[in-house]
Amino acid sequence: AQKITQTQPGMFVQEKEAVTLDCTYDTSDQSYGLFWYKQPSSGEMIFLIYQGSYDEQNATEGRYSLNFQKARKSANLVISASQLGDSAMYFCAMREGRRGYQKVTFGIGTKLQVIP
Amino acid sequence: EPEVTQTPSHQVTQMGQEVILRCVPISNHLYFYWYRQILGQKVEFLVSFYNNEISEKSEIFDDQFSVERPDGSNFTLKIRSTKLEDSAMYFCASSRADRAGTEAFFGQGTRLTVV
Repeated sequence: AQKITQTQPGMFVQEKEAVTLDCTYDTSDQSYGLFWYKQPSSGEMIFLIYQGSYDEQNATEGRYSLNFQKARKSANLVISASQLGDSAMYFCAMREGRRGYQKVTFGIGTKLQVIP
Repeated sequence: EPEVTQTPSHQVTQMGQEVILRCVPISNHLYFYWYRQILGQKVEFLVSFYNNEISEKSEIFDDQFSVERPDGSNFTLKIRSTKLEDSAMYFCASSRADRAGTEAFFGQGTRLTVV
């Protein structure tokens, strides 16, 4: 089974509108962390937002918020007031908490295009 | 703001040659990682490194790969005899701790092209 599933290969959004990028995850661990990264066409990986499995409140960072639904194992990224510079690949990732299991697993990504 | 830096940004090499990709992690970080991303595909974990030894590696990280922290600042990935399929973007990352909630900071990547 895929650890991280991103079902939207591509998304379009009108500038200034909000958009939700879907992410579901699979883990049997109680302690884990969920991340979203942005990868513009230049290729670098930019950290956007983090949600811990024990955090009761949804994480927010500026225009980014993470809609965390633990029972459904989903961690959707919401971008409000989209800007042209938001056009990029977006990766959902998970870090599981077992000691010694240190890797972050990435989803396949969603390509977001913001339309003027 | 501290950042992970990688050099070179782009490396072209002939098949069969050895390459060394270099990374300078954030100075107070203790855990180091290499990931790769084949063009158009997802980011894949290669290896994690802590306390001067590999703590975990993926099935991709076979005998042609090695990592080293030769001094207090650099963290290198060596590919001994490159193959065409090694062409990818290679990302170095570091983190302060190895707990579920600790974010990993990524470098800007080295694009390796094997010809």
